[in-house]
Amino acid sequence: QKEVEQDPGPLSVPEGAIVSLNCTYSNSAFQYFMWYRQYSRKGPELLMYTYSSGNKEDGRFTAQVDKSSKYISLFIRDSQPSDSATYLCAMSAENQFYFGTGTSLTVIP
Amino acid sequence: NAGVTQTPKFRILKIGQSMTLQCAQDMNHNYMYWYRQDPGMGLKLIYYSVGAGITDKGEVPNGYNVSRSTTEDFPLRLELAAPSQTSVYFCASGYRLSSSYEQYFGPGTRLTVT
Repeated sequence: QKEVEQDPGPLSVPEGAIVSLNCTYSNSAFQYFMWYRQYSRKGPELLMYTYSSGNKEDGRFTAQVDKSSKYISLFIRDSQPSDSATYLCAMSAENQFYFGTGTSLTVIP
Repeated sequence: NAGVTQTPKFRILKIGQSMTLQCAQDMNHNYMYWYRQDPGMGLKLIYYSVGAGITDKGEVPNGYNVSRSTTEDFPLRLELAAPSQTSVYFCASGYRLSSSYEQYFGPGTRLTVT
C-alpha cells in the first residue's frame, strides 16, 4: 500500500469554478500536511501547509486535514487559467516526506 | 536571495559513469533534501540532512551518496550510473518549527543515463 494516494486526473474546469483536490494516506504518524504547485519543467512551489487537523485559508486557497479519515483536501475558489499546473500533496513524519503522484489541473478561459 | 540553486540543468551520462549533482542554498536553512521525480510517480526522497555533518537515508537511497560539510551545500553523488537513475532530480532546503515544516525547491537537474 502506498503511503500517499492522489488521483492523477487530469482535471479540466472552466474559469471561475471551484476546484477540489484530494489525497488519502495510510500512516497515522503524519503530522505535517502540505500542498505544492508545480508548473511544467519547474520545481514544486509550496502553496500551503497545515499542522495536524483542521482548516487553513489563504486567499482563494483552503486546505483541510481530517486525520480521523486520513484525508486531506485543497480547494481553489474562483479558479484562474494561471492555476493550471500539477498539484502535489505531501506529508511528513519525523524528517521523512512522502508525496502524492500529483493531479494535473487545467483551467479553461 | 538566489534561493536554492542546482547545477547542471541537464546531463547525459553513459552507463557506469559517475557524477555529482550540486545544490546550494543561501537561506541559512538547516534542513536540505534530495528528491527524484519520475513521470507519474511523484517525488521520492533520496537523502536528507538536518545540519552540517548530519545526513540520513530517505525512501530510495540505493545508488546515491551525499555529504554535508557546510550549511549551504548538499551535493548528491551518483556512482556507476544505471538507466534506472534517469530522472529529474530536485534539491530542497527548509526549516522546521513546532507547527510548520517548510521546504523550498530548486529548479531541478534532468539526468539521462544511456
